[in-house]
Amino acid sequence: AIRMTQSPSSLSASTGDRVTITCRASQGISSYLAWYQQKPGKAPKLLIYAASTLQSGVPSRFSGSGSGTDFTLTISCLQSEDFATYYCQQYYSYPPYSFGQGTKLEIK
Amino acid sequence: EVQLVESGGGLVQPGRSLRLSCAASGFTFDDYAMHWVRQAPGKGLEWVSGISWNSGSTGYADSVKGRFTISRDNAKNSLYLQMNSLRAEDTALYYCAKGGSWNYSTFCDYWGQGTLVTVSS
Repeated sequence: AIRMTQSPSSLSASTGDRVTITCRASQGISSYLAWYQQKPGKAPKLLIYAASTLQSGVPSRFSGSGSGTDFTLTISCLQSEDFATYYCQQYYSYPPYSFGQGTKLEIK
Repeated sequence: EVQLVESGGGLVQPGRSLRLSCAASGFTFDDYAMHWVRQAPGKGLEWVSGISWNSGSTGYADSVKGRFTISRDNAKNSLYLQMNSLRAEDTALYYCAKGGSWNYSTFCDYWGQGTLVTVSS
């Protein structure tokens, strides 16, 4: 099974900051990677798919990049509503379509 | 508007069975794959199972393979998860999620609010 490792596991930042979260796959997954945002008590929300395609309705301050084994999610100018937990997920070829362990983004 | 409403969760003893349902609306159900994803209390997301648009392909996490069965009824716009031989480690909030395409090898673009399954004696 493909293992997804996110870093950091937690991150403190201030509104207006630029932050980057990294996701690494244990083997190549081409661009079959999605990013999700989850707020406490809520269902996850799709932000990005195919590594860099922004889901409809998601603010342009979110961006994704990478292919193969290394991927990043960048939030260019943090807003208060962005403080949440972020997960990457690979959906390459065969199941299981594993998630990373999550990155909790907190207010500094 | 896409809506996914899960039901069927509850408290169940180890070794027993439970069947989850997900009622879908707001999109052409039989055009898309569907998934089940779970989240244990205070933990991360775990993909459980997926099914293609016509039930022709299904997949499972190793942790549930042989115990859980995913199915769908396109005439009823409904997704199901039959869970047998339940274990304490199956305790989680179970989300129904819509796939981004007809093939279940895809991301989840819409999610329900989840149904809680608690396995305990």
